[in-house]
Amino acid sequence: ETGVTQSPTHLIKTRGQQVTLRCSSQSGHNTVSWYQQALGQGPQFIFQYYREEENGRGNFPPRFSGLQFPNYSSELNVNALELDDSALYLCASSFSAFLYGYTFGSGTRLTVV
Amino acid sequence: DAKTTQPPSMDCAEGRAANLPCNHSTISGNEYVYWYRQIHSQGPQYIIHGLKNNETNEMASLIITEDRKSSTLILPHATLRDTAVYYCIVRVYQGAQKLVFGQGTRLTINP
Repeated sequence: ETGVTQSPTHLIKTRGQQVTLRCSSQSGHNTVSWYQQALGQGPQFIFQYYREEENGRGNFPPRFSGLQFPNYSSELNVNALELDDSALYLCASSFSAFLYGYTFGSGTRLTVV
Repeated sequence: DAKTTQPPSMDCAEGRAANLPCNHSTISGNEYVYWYRQIHSQGPQYIIHGLKNNETNEMASLIITEDRKSSTLILPHATLRDTAVYYCIVRVYQGAQKLVFGQGTRLTINP
């Protein structure tokens, strides 16, 4: 198994721009979640996708959106970037999170200037 | 809205057992206790979880008190690679299985 891979690893964007982050789930995993981790804080849940449908969302505005594809890979899109969006964005996948927990990627470090 | 309380930091000598406490006094009967850790510059890593019985796997042991209001994660023979932030999380098993992370405990293993 290859684990969860995220791309890019680092990214610098300007305030007001749009960004797309990508995640390849671990083989066999049909659920993917996205988290935002600000410096010095624990990760915050953004949303979760199960079989291409969003089935849970945290306290994030609509400019945070996502997609899950038939191969269970996923994208996180953020529009109208703000300085406070600077953070580590983590993708996590699972098959049965209850039994096996989530497998996290190493994240994308986004800096908004 | 994390429902757990952990000490912000702990130290442990290499080779000794590291015991990380977690208080979850408001835990409900159907909520499980999960532990994850995050090594610097990496994503969180699942360690172990349990409901009310003590659990052990190749990484750690989880001891949950009888009233379930607190638990302890035990790393039996800590190594330098166990230096990380450890998160204790309680959650139900339901549809959108989000994890609510608190501040965690920064565990430093000293040589």
